[in-house]
Parts: sequence; structure tokens; C-alpha cells
Amino acid sequence: ETGVTQTPRHLVMGMTNKKSLKCEQHLGHNAMYWYKQSAKKPLELMFVYSLEERVENNSVPSRFSPECPNSSHLFLHLHTLQPEDSALYLCASSQDTHTGQPQHFGDGTRLSIL
Amino acid sequence: GESVGLHLPTLSVQEGDNSIINCAYSNSASDYFIWYKQESGKGPQFIIDIRSNMDKRQGQRVTVLLNKTVKHLSLQIAATQPGDSAVYFCAPNRSQGGSEKLVFGKGTKLTVNP
Repeated sequence: ETGVTQTPRHLVMGMTNKKSLKCEQHLGHNAMYWYKQSAKKPLELMFVYSLEERVENNSVPSRFSPECPNSSHLFLHLHTLQPEDSALYLCASSQDTHTGQPQHFGDGTRLSIL
Repeated sequence: GESVGLHLPTLSVQEGDNSIINCAYSNSASDYFIWYKQESGKGPQFIIDIRSNMDKRQGQRVTVLLNKTVKHLSLQIAATQPGDSAVYFCAPNRSQGGSEKLVFGKGTKLTVNP
């Protein structure tokens, strides 16, 4: 059982489609994160939100658009993706972005771009 | 640049043996370290953490050792079980712009043979 829930678990889309990934945390945390996990590569931090404000954008292409309507929900809107964007997208949350706070992860959305 | 590495990409042990997974980090300013376990098809799961003012911390069947002098930490799993088979990541922290990030390595895949 996880306190961070991601939907859908799997997504197949064409390069011209528009889709959204959803993340919800039930831990009462104030910070949320999007990571990309590709095969044989370390986790790559994409975005960080603290109290619904984006505090980090790690040079992510504009075809990825995050949204954080409240501290419990985080979305990643996708449009005109490329085949190299196929990966596992992980959401995480933590109490805040201060030092010494563990991040808790969801089980991810497996994204395949055709 | 900053790096997090593990001494072995794979580790195979017999059920009941003790496992030791090593991790080297490069940033001497890191003061908080987390070990995660990621099973197939799931997101990273928090195992144990340690702060830089400690050199050892124990949990249930797991022990983390931290050597700040050589920037090395290890995860010891006692009486390894088949359910311990997974990829293990160490994640030191890195503070940037008032917020904290975790830096992930590629992970070590632990296989427990019955």
C-alpha cells in the first residue's frame, strides 16, 4: 500500500496525442515531485512543487507541463512527445523541501510513445 | 559534476546470507542519506535514512553505515530473504537554492537465490 497514488499505471500514446498523468498523495505533505526513470539511468528530477508553487524546473522540454492545483494533487500534461520520452514517470512527496525529509514515491506511470 | 555510484551493479546471494550493498558519493556537503528499494513494477520504497552526525543506524534487519571521511555508505541486510530481491538505491541530499534535492545513482540489483 502506498500513500502516493499514480494513474494511469500504463499509457501508450502517439506523438501527436495529448494526455495527462495524475498523482495524489494522502500523507499530508507540502512538497511534490516528478521524476523520469529510464532504463539503466539514474532517476532524473523534473519538477518540484512546494505549497503548490513550482520551485524547480530542471531544463525539462516544454512538451511536459506540470500542474499542482493543491498540495495533494500533481499533474503532468503531455503533448507532442518524442519516442525518447518513453520511460517510467514517478511522483513523490515529502513533508517539505527542507533538509532531512525523505521522499515517498508512487508506483509510477509506464509511458510508451509510438 | 556530482555523482553517486555503487561498487557493483549486481549482487547475488544465497537465502539466509547477509548482503552488503555499497555506495560512494562525491559531494562532501551531503548531510542526509536515504536508501531505497525498488521492486519490479513498483516505485522506490524508503528503507532507512541516516544523517551525517551519525555513522551507524539500524532498522529491522537492515543497518546503514556512513563513512564521511571517504564519502562512502553501505546497506547491510541480515538473513537475506527472496523478498529482498530488488534494485537498491542510495540517495544523498544536495541543497540548492534553499530547497533540497536527492541525488540518485543507477542502483544495485540484488538477487536472492533460494
